[in-house]
Amino acid sequence: AAGVIQSPRHLIKEKRETATLKCYPIPRHDTVYWYQQGPGQDPQFLISFYEKMQSDKGSIPDRFSAQQFSDYHSELNMSSLELGDSALYFCASSFKGPNYGYTFGSGTRLTVV
Amino acid sequence: AQSVTQLGSHVSVSEGALVLLRCNYSSSVPPYLFWYVQYPNQGLQLLLKYTTGATLVKGINGFEAEFKKSETSFHLTKPSAHMSDAAEYFCAVSDRNYGGSQGNLIFGKGTKLSVKP
Repeated sequence: AAGVIQSPRHLIKEKRETATLKCYPIPRHDTVYWYQQGPGQDPQFLISFYEKMQSDKGSIPDRFSAQQFSDYHSELNMSSLELGDSALYFCASSFKGPNYGYTFGSGTRLTVV
Repeated sequence: AQSVTQLGSHVSVSEGALVLLRCNYSSSVPPYLFWYVQYPNQGLQLLLKYTTGATLVKGINGFEAEFKKSETSFHLTKPSAHMSDAAEYFCAVSDRNYGGSQGNLIFGKGTKLSVKP
């Protein structure tokens, strides 16, 4: 079965650079979520989109932005990168709510040097 | 607002012993509860979830959890630990949005399970 696809798997950037992370949800899933997991930390919710509209916002820095496109894929744009942005970024998708279960992608590991 | 507390950041059991990972939640609305497992350098895999109905939920790999509303708990158990169960386990509650969309997940801090031979 198709899963949530994230790209790239690994990304190394320098401070103050920008990064774009992509997420391709499971076909027919209508909601995409982004989470950030720092080293040894629990995943923290960043932002979500439902039917291409932002539906909820968590602890996402102002330097970050995200959108969901007409084909339902989503991109997380990160600017002015800081060392503290180094983390594993997960995307998850769901259909009509958590009752049907979230499915997580394998994540993008961002390292800022 | 919802929150999740996982008691014990690290649990160690012997192979073949009972696994018990504790999770307590706080929620002002009937919760959706989840357990996820994360192996090193990998993503989050759903073990099981409780939404409505039967309070004893069976998941993959022989794990199960019981929703106890009176205790606001959703502890994860497995009768007999296997070496391959060594991983980090996250309990999560869904911040449901009754307005039509779906809530995001609020995770506990995680419990690292070690299995000794």
